[in-house]
Amino acid sequence: AAGVIQSPRHLIKEKRETATLKCYPIPRHDTVYWYQQGPGQDPQFLISFYEKMQSDKGSIPDRFSAQQFSDYHSELNMSSLELGDSALYFCATPSGEVGELFFGEGSRLTVL
Amino acid sequence: KQEVTQIPAALSVPEGENLVLNCSFTDSAIYNLQWFRQDPGKGLTSLLLIQSSQREQTSGRLNASLDKSSGRSTLYIAASQPGDSATYLCAVAYNQGGKLIFGQGTELSVKP
Repeated sequence: AAGVIQSPRHLIKEKRETATLKCYPIPRHDTVYWYQQGPGQDPQFLISFYEKMQSDKGSIPDRFSAQQFSDYHSELNMSSLELGDSALYFCATPSGEVGELFFGEGSRLTVL
Repeated sequence: KQEVTQIPAALSVPEGENLVLNCSFTDSAIYNLQWFRQDPGKGLTSLLLIQSSQREQTSGRLNASLDKSSGRSTLYIAASQPGDSATYLCAVAYNQGGKLIFGQGTELSVKP
């Protein structure tokens, strides 16, 4: 079965640069969640979308923005990157009646 | 504040042992609870989901229980194998389609 696809898998940026991460949810699923997992930390919720509208917002810095497109893929845009933004970024899609959450393999961002 | 705690933070057992991982949550009004496995630097793999009305779920050698009133869940792994070595995370959702709040995980090492 098709899963959640994220790209790029790895990204290296310099401080103050901009990065864009992409997420392609399970086909025909209209909800996307973004999480950030710092080294040795648990995943922290950033933002979510349902039917292309923002549905919830967590601890997402003002330097970050995200959107969901008509094909339901989502992009997380990060500007003025800081060293502390180095982390694994996951997106996830709920599936089934009980909303079990399925995660992508993540995008590892390294800020130098 | 809604928090999730996992004990122990790390666990090392010899192959073949049965083991229990613990998860507690401060706000018992959960919608569901999900257990995940994460290998180093990898994505999160969903293991089991328990709805708030359920007491337990089983999948192969894994059994997850939920005691909502006391704010606790356990993940029981039978006949552990070296391939079970990973970090196990529990996460709770407080409404349908809601974000997950994660514990910090238990790092399990199963020695041959």
